[in-house]
Formats: sequence, C-alpha cells, structure tokens
Amino acid sequence: GENVEQHPSTLSVQEGDSAVIKCTYSDSASNYFPWYKQELGKGPQLIIDIRSNVGEKKDQRIAVTLNKTAKHFSLHITETQPEDSAVYFCAAGDNDMRFGAGTRLTVKP
Amino acid sequence: DTGVSQNPRHKITKRGQNVTFRCDPISEHNRLYWYRQTLGQGPEFLTYFQNEAQLEKSRLLSDRFSAERPKGSFSTLEIQRTEQGDSAMYLCASSRDGRGRQYFGPGTRLTVT
Repeated sequence: GENVEQHPSTLSVQEGDSAVIKCTYSDSASNYFPWYKQELGKGPQLIIDIRSNVGEKKDQRIAVTLNKTAKHFSLHITETQPEDSAVYFCAAGDNDMRFGAGTRLTVKP
Repeated sequence: DTGVSQNPRHKITKRGQNVTFRCDPISEHNRLYWYRQTLGQGPEFLTYFQNEAQLEKSRLLSDRFSAERPKGSFSTLEIQRTEQGDSAMYLCASSRDGRGRQYFGPGTRLTVT
C-alpha cells in the first residue's frame, strides 16, 4: 500500500518569509496529491491539489510542485501571514488516501 | 452547500459501551469516507461508500466497527464494546465522485474512559 512521509514535522518562519513542506510517496500508481490545512479543533481543509499529469500548480500565495519520477511533491507558501499558522498535511492516492504525519507551521509576526 | 456535518462533535463514553456517530455529506456527493485521526498524526483511512455500497475497508476497521449508508445519503459509524485505544477524532469526508476532491467535516472527538 501507499506510504507517505512528510518533512519537516515543525516549521517556524517570520511573517513575510516563505515556507516549504516536502512529502514523498511510495506507490508509483498514485496520481492525486492534495494538501490540507488543519486548525485546532477543526477538520482538515483542502487548500490545493495536483494530479499527476501536471508538474506545478499555483493559487495566489500557495503553490504545489510534483516530481513523479522521484515520487515527491512539495507545498510552497509565499509571503506568509500569522493566519497561515496551522498543521499542514499532504496526502496521496484517490479513494483510500494516505496522509503524511503533518507539519506544524508557526508564522511569527 | 452547507458542507459536511458530523454529530455529535464530542462523545465521552465508558469502556465497553457502544457509540454511534453520524455524518451528513455535501448534497449530491456520491462518495463518503471515514477516517480516524489520533493526536499528532494524519488522518487514517477506515472505509468509503459509493452511494449505499461500502467499497473498501481498511484493516484498521476491526470487527467492532461497522459503517452504513443505507440510502446513499447520511452515514453512521458504530463502535461496539469501546476500548481506550478507540479514543480519537473520527472524520468524515465526501466527494462528488471517485476522482473528486474530498471535503472533510469537523469531526467527532471520542474519549473512552
């Protein structure tokens, strides 16, 4: 089955800096890679996703890149703001999605 | 579109009791998923439905767990003879179809004492 590893587990940046979170996956058949943001006491919120036929996708301050050959994908947040502070999860797969262990991002004002 | 809703939001029960959670998906979403999330971890897949049919179950779903989606709309997850290890957040998600984005509800936090 699919196995997803996520790094780093914690990340602290100054407001305005960029943040990068990286994930690797094991199943070469996986073709869908979403990213979720989870705030305390809430369910995960989908923030961006990418399919395997695309190498990069951008939505305002958030971008995701995918390298299928190396089986890794990354989340990039630019111009970080304090409200970006949360736990971020990557995932891979379709119906039985496998999630990474999460990255706790702290943006210091 | 009111999003995925889950009830109750919190449940405290004693070991050995049965509990049932409910999930109402986004209307017209054919697929419904259940996940479990323990502290400091990502969600773990439990099972999913295509309309009323349960198509896949994780090995995490022991015999004490059962899920239903009788009319292809809301779903229930029941845990029988709860154990302390069942304490977790139980998340529900729905998607329009098999290639669709999964949208999560707020979760039901279960505490087994």
